[in-house]
Amino acid sequence: EELLEQSGPEIKKPGESLKISCKGSGYRFSNFWIGWLRQMPGKELEWMGVIYPGDSTLRYNPSFQDRVTISADESMSTAYLQWSSLEASDTAIYYCARQEELLSYFGPWGQGTLVIVSS
Amino acid sequence: DIQMTQSPSSLSASVGDIVTIACQASQDISKHLSWYQLQPGKAPKLLIFDASNLEIGVPSRFSGSGSGTEFILTITSLQPEDIATYYCQQYDNVPYTFGQGTKLDIK
Repeated sequence: EELLEQSGPEIKKPGESLKISCKGSGYRFSNFWIGWLRQMPGKELEWMGVIYPGDSTLRYNPSFQDRVTISADESMSTAYLQWSSLEASDTAIYYCARQEELLSYFGPWGQGTLVIVSS
Repeated sequence: DIQMTQSPSSLSASVGDIVTIACQASQDISKHLSWYQLQPGKAPKLLIFDASNLEIGVPSRFSGSGSGTEFILTITSLQPEDIATYYCQQYDNVPYTFGQGTKLDIK
């Protein structure tokens, strides 16, 4: 079964750094794009960016480019989303999801990582 | 960016009903549209891709139609397990964008 498993929930303070993960299994991780998506409380899904683990090609949504860094470790079949300095507005559920091509639908999805940023 | 407008924002229906959710794109996206089901505590689920193709394992009561700018998700014979929020998404152009979601519950 092709799965994406995300790291657990996080509670952080403003200004702290954070790196969450998304591990793929049941398929060749390097051959598919992994996207990151945000869902703020009560809001719609937003696409943040995508990485191709095979060569680390990245595409960011300009709305997120200055706030987060996306990376991947092909040897670990894991993609990452990180912040250097969290803000309260980063409170959200973050999902990873696989794409077959850059212009393609998302599936499967990870279960989501809840990030709460509060002083 | 391509704007996706979904309607209605919420919907209440009875078991066995036919439910339709609409999604409109701000420009022609051909058939580059997918539908997802989100339920609390579960991984989001791809239902429909390329506007009308049913993802493997998704019950046949789900169907999609449309092209260009107008799209429809239909659930025939609504089941209790279909309680969820449904989103459309365009992948014709980056950045990918989603509709605002339709929250479906059972009467």
